[in-house]
Amino acid sequence: AQSVAQPEDQVNVAEGNPLTVKCTYSVSGNPYLFWYVQYPNRGLQFLLKYITGDNLVKGSYGFEAEFNKSQTSFHLKKPSALVSDSALYFCAVRYGRNTPLVFGKGTRLSVIA
Amino acid sequence: GAGVSQSPSNKVTEKGKDVELRCDPISGHTALYWYRQSLGQGLEFLIYFQGNSAPDKSGLPSDRFSAERTGGSVSTLTIQRTQQEDSAVYLCASSLKTVNSSGNTIYFGEGSWLTVV
Repeated sequence: AQSVAQPEDQVNVAEGNPLTVKCTYSVSGNPYLFWYVQYPNRGLQFLLKYITGDNLVKGSYGFEAEFNKSQTSFHLKKPSALVSDSALYFCAVRYGRNTPLVFGKGTRLSVIA
Repeated sequence: GAGVSQSPSNKVTEKGKDVELRCDPISGHTALYWYRQSLGQGLEFLIYFQGNSAPDKSGLPSDRFSAERTGGSVSTLTIQRTQQEDSAVYLCASSLKTVNSSGNTIYFGEGSWLTVV
């Protein structure tokens, strides 16, 4: 069954430092991978996705993610964290047409000034 | 509208009552999804509509939950005889038709916060 894992419930990083939020996916076919962000009391906002092509994907708000097939990972990164990046981040996977996105449990990012 | 619209934004109901949650997807989006987000939990898939195809109901947790989509646009999620464990945020999302690409982005509404007391 398709699934994603976000091994960290919480990530703390100092403002200005690089950040990484981890995501791994189950091995089954060719995955389509997504990252979403949820600010307090809000819905989910799309950040970026990997479909095919370059393994490094750039998205909104300076975020990027690298698809690594050998490690079945799709970690979210940003070179310099902002306090405003503090939010809940979700990784999601989809394996085929007419299937819904399957989400990880989310990772809460706290950026400390 | 510009985005996925959900109503009500907040609903408090008594245990045992029925509730209806409404979703108006982005214009032109033929795929519509309902997810549930409980406190401290991830997103749980509930149901998926794609055009005129039969909906994927595999995520509905019990027969108290049902959803319909009229005219291929607006959808209503109905919870009958609500229980306290139904308290959660119910998120609706929509996307373009996925026949040609499973990579179409799914866009979410702000959610309906349901509290069963």
